[in-house]
Amino acid sequence: DGGITQSPKYLFRKEGQNVTLSCEQNLNHDAMYWYRQDPGQGLRLIYYSQIVNDFQKGDIAEGYSVSREKKESFPLTVTSAQKNPTAFYLCASSWAGVMNTEAFFGQGTRLTVV
Amino acid sequence: GDSVTQMEGPVTLSEEAFLTINCTYTATGYPSLFWYVQYPGEGLQLLLKATKADDKGSNKGFEATYRKETTSFHLEKGSVQVSDSAVYFCALKASLDTGANSKLTFGKGITLSVRP
Repeated sequence: DGGITQSPKYLFRKEGQNVTLSCEQNLNHDAMYWYRQDPGQGLRLIYYSQIVNDFQKGDIAEGYSVSREKKESFPLTVTSAQKNPTAFYLCASSWAGVMNTEAFFGQGTRLTVV
Repeated sequence: GDSVTQMEGPVTLSEEAFLTINCTYTATGYPSLFWYVQYPGEGLQLLLKATKADDKGSNKGFEATYRKETTSFHLEKGSVQVSDSAVYFCALKASLDTGANSKLTFGKGITLSVRP
């Protein structure tokens, strides 16, 4: 079945450590996105990528980094520079250059700093 | 920039009650509009969408009509069930699907709880 897979579902990190969240899709989508969800704040865009080896900052990119070496994969690294990393992280993908298409979401990764 | 405003929540209803969740937007041109639903501990699922003015999206008894004149996309359901308890997000996608405009802009979401 086609879809988006995020792993792990739950992740615990000690303060000062970097951690990488995985996102893989087999929908053959060009565009991929990372959103952060906090209670009462909706979804905020961290980074997005329209094509392999290219990505752009979203609204809250500080303290995060990404790579897009393969079309299927868009990992997100939460660095120690992110001051408040505890949140629910959602990865999504969609067709690029196609009007009116929706985004498909993974099941999310809940990151907790301990 | 583009923005989406949803009514404040949470909303609590009894089973079989009528549901309306308000959503208004600010955007240039003719964006596409979406409603997503999120069940506890899960990602977002597309509930319905509309891509031009006066279009009505519908799915699982939910409906929303794209109103250009009022820049609104209110979600309605005639008779809610306990299983409809979830968080609902309104979103838009800019009308020019190139570069930065391909991303979705979301409202803050609203939690719906339906009592038996």
